[in-house]
Amino acid sequence: TQLLEQSPQFLSIQEGENLTVYCNSSSVFSSLQWYRQEPGEGPVLLVTVVTGGEVKKLKRLTFQFGDARKDSSLHITAAQTGDTGLYLCAGPSGGSNYKLTFGKGTLLTVNP
Amino acid sequence: GAGVSQSPRYKVAKRGQDVALRCDPISGHVSLFWYQQALGQGPEFLTYFQNEAQLDKSGLPSDRFFAERPEGSVSTLKIQRTQQEDSAVYLCASSLDRARSNQPQHFGDGTRLSIL
Repeated sequence: TQLLEQSPQFLSIQEGENLTVYCNSSSVFSSLQWYRQEPGEGPVLLVTVVTGGEVKKLKRLTFQFGDARKDSSLHITAAQTGDTGLYLCAGPSGGSNYKLTFGKGTLLTVNP
Repeated sequence: GAGVSQSPRYKVAKRGQDVALRCDPISGHVSLFWYQQALGQGPEFLTYFQNEAQLDKSGLPSDRFFAERPEGSVSTLKIQRTQQEDSAVYLCASSLDRARSNQPQHFGDGTRLSIL
């Protein structure tokens, strides 16, 4: 079973600060996805990274896929209260291209 | 609506009762997925449909769990003789095409099931 470990589990910061959260595995993934989930809602896809070493930017969010495709990071610049939520990484596992394995997530709270 | 719709949003049942959870995927989406999300955890895969065919049910935790999608659109997840450990949020997702790598899955807001 391919596992994804996310750290930190909880993160509470002030508005305007920068932060990085991590998603690590001992297994190689063909791709990784990052989702944000708000309370009472389903996960919403933010980005998919496919190529080792790839960097993708989405406004203040920067996503990086490790060279060996075993890890990924999400960096947020100048966090805003609207960034609050559960950040989940996920990747296809079990030899399939559709069965997603999710990490437990990082619960981010951005305080005003 | 434009998104994946799930009903009911909340369901409370007594241990031993049967429950049925409904998912309306995005119109035209071929693939449909069910996930279980326990408190403080990420979603865990339960089962996958391509149109009306259930191609993967490897994540269903026991034979008390049954899913169907008879006409290739709406899907129902049924749990028989519910147990307390079945308490979780059940998420449904759909994607446009046959399951190809990196096809985005669009999630509904889930059904929060509480077993007393």
